[in-house]
Amino acid sequence: GAGVSQTPSNKVTEKGKYVELRCDPISGHTALYWYRQSLGQGPEFLIYFQGTGAADDSGLPNDRFFAVRPEGSVSTLKIQRTERGDSAVYLCASSSRGAGELFFGEGSRLTVL
Amino acid sequence: SQQGEEDPQALSIQEGENATMNCSYKTSINNLQWYRQNSGRGLVHLILIRSNEREKHSGRLRVTLDTSKKSSSLLITASRAADTASYFCATDVNTGTASKLTFGTGTRLQVTL
Repeated sequence: GAGVSQTPSNKVTEKGKYVELRCDPISGHTALYWYRQSLGQGPEFLIYFQGTGAADDSGLPNDRFFAVRPEGSVSTLKIQRTERGDSAVYLCASSSRGAGELFFGEGSRLTVL
Repeated sequence: SQQGEEDPQALSIQEGENATMNCSYKTSINNLQWYRQNSGRGLVHLILIRSNEREKHSGRLRVTLDTSKKSSSLLITASRAADTASYFCATDVNTGTASKLTFGTGTRLQVTL
C-alpha cells in the first residue's frame, strides 16, 4: 500500500490476555518505529528497528512488551499479560534511510478492561 | 519521557488569523520537526528544521529554531477551519541512519469560522 498500515484499528481485551499489533510499513523503508500515545499526550517512543534488528528498545516499559521484525518489513508488537494501564493508541511509523521524516500509520487503539 | 513542552496547550482563533505555537526542549538536537494530528488519526509530518538552520518556510507554515534558547516556534498564517488539529514538536538527537523522535505534549488548535 501507499502508506503505513496498522491492524487491528481497535482491540478490546481483558486484563491478563495476550495481544499482538501488526504494522506494515511503506515499501522500501528500512526503519520502523513503535510509539504509544495516551489520551491528551504526545507519542512516547517504544522501540525502533533498522532492518530486522531492534536498534533501540529503550522505550519498552517492561518485559511484557516485545516487538519483532523478522524479515525487515512487517513488524508485530506483542504485549503479554495485559494490564489496564496498557490502554493507549499504539502508533507505528517508518522512514527511509537517512531521512528525518517519519510516516505514521493511523494507530491501533488498545483497550484493556 | 517528553522532551518538548508546547505552549500554549490550547489555542482558539478565528479563520484568517495567524496561530503561533512554541516548543521548548532540554537537550542538544540534530533536528526538530513539527507534526499535525487530527482527532483519532495518525500524525502527519509538516516540516523539519536542522540544528544549523534558524528559519524555514513551507506554504503557510513558518518555523524558527533558536538552539541557544532550546526553543522553536510554528507559525500558521491565514488559518483555516481545516487547520483545526493538535500540533506536536519532536526533537531528533540521532545523527545516524534513523531518527529517534521525542515528542512534546502538543498544542490543540481550534480554528472557528
